[in-house]
Amino acid sequence: EDQVTQSPEALRLQEGESSSLNCSYTVSGLRGLFWYRQDPGKGPEFLFTLYSAGEEKEKERLKATLTKKESFLHITAPKPEDSATYLCAVQTILTDSWGKLQFGAGTQVVVTP
Amino acid sequence: GAVVSQHPSWVICKSGTSVKIECRSLDFQATTMFWYRQFPKQSLMLMATSNEGSKATYEQGVEKDKFLINHASLTLSTLTVTSAHPEDSSFYICSAAIGQTKNIQYFGAGTRLSVL
Repeated sequence: EDQVTQSPEALRLQEGESSSLNCSYTVSGLRGLFWYRQDPGKGPEFLFTLYSAGEEKEKERLKATLTKKESFLHITAPKPEDSATYLCAVQTILTDSWGKLQFGAGTQVVVTP
Repeated sequence: GAVVSQHPSWVICKSGTSVKIECRSLDFQATTMFWYRQFPKQSLMLMATSNEGSKATYEQGVEKDKFLINHASLTLSTLTVTSAHPEDSSFYICSAAIGQTKNIQYFGAGTRLSVL
């Protein structure tokens, strides 16, 4: 059975204190791994998609990396506006699940001034 | 680009009534849209995949007759919660797939449904 596990569940950071979020996955054929940011009461906002091990993508203070078993989202020198829940999702190559996303439970990040 | 609009953002209804939620892709055509449900402090659970011009595909355990999905055009999908009950209260979110292989999903802002 496909599984997506995110850790930690919650993370409290001081402004400027860099850290990493983990997303480990067990799927039968990865098509893509996605990172989203979700603010309270809002829909997820697309951040990155990664397709193959070794791939890295960056956007402002965020950097996502991918291995064959997990992905990391690095937050460098975070600011209070980076506070959100970060969701990891996987998409598999199975025909009957084409396009579907399976989400992890998310990591709630709070950045204090 | 890739803006998905969802309406209404919040709805309160009486038990037994039906509620319709709209999901529109504003600046692109979406042959495939998805409907999710999210409970407090939990992640998104896929309810169904909506394909333009054909019947929706529901996930296991989702009642087709309770959650009616219509994808009549390339920019609009609707979810109707029929005969709503308090246990249907939740946050409903739609997404539309975009890209050459249509594998990147962009999400609407969500609809908070409260059934009294």
